[in-house]
Amino acid sequence: LAKTTQPISMDSYEGQEVNITCSHNNIATNDYITWYQQFPSQGPRFIIQGYKTKVTNEVASLFIPADRKSSTLSLPRVSLSDTAVYYCLVGGNTGGFKTIFGAGTRLFVKA
Amino acid sequence: GAGVSQTPSNKVTEKGKYVELRCDPISGHTALYWYRQSLGQGPEFLIYFQGTGAADDSGLPNDRFFAVRPEGSVSTLKIQRTERGDSAVYLCASSGTSGGGGEQFFGPGTRLTVL
Repeated sequence: LAKTTQPISMDSYEGQEVNITCSHNNIATNDYITWYQQFPSQGPRFIIQGYKTKVTNEVASLFIPADRKSSTLSLPRVSLSDTAVYYCLVGGNTGGFKTIFGAGTRLFVKA
Repeated sequence: GAGVSQTPSNKVTEKGKYVELRCDPISGHTALYWYRQSLGQGPEFLIYFQGTGAADDSGLPNDRFFAVRPEGSVSTLKIQRTERGDSAVYLCASSGTSGGGGEQFFGPGTRLTVL
């Protein structure tokens, strides 16, 4: 299983774009990159998943360079309600089922 | 539609007691995961079910922990002879995709406190 490394915490202000980068140097060919968001006293919530290049949905974009050794979650125009912990996961649809969450990145959005 | 539900939401027990934690996954989801989360940490994988069978139980910390899913829907996590170190939030997730890459839908968790 590929290990991931993320910043422990980040601060931002309302209305700014926030980019959280995750390193996964040992990513395997079949691995996907998935990001989850977790608020206090709640279970994690799926944000976005990608394999390569760029993926965009209604809440975020995920940028994956050609070597796939890192990925960047981009949150456009954050609000106070985006204050949460963000987890980067790497795993595949074949072979292992174990899902490894790291410590995540604590994002604090200030007014 | 209904999401993943977990009962009880809170459980306080004494050291040495037996506890059962229940997870009701989203209807039709064949994949089910259990995690344990301590304060300030990410969720720690415990066990994965595909249907009725445990496809990966490598995260169970020791033989005091056991989980079942007899009919391929509801799952129960069982902890024998609880210890204070077992105190944590126990999360359940289900997925409509088998394997490790599909989106997981998490329940609100059960907060277990062992006195």
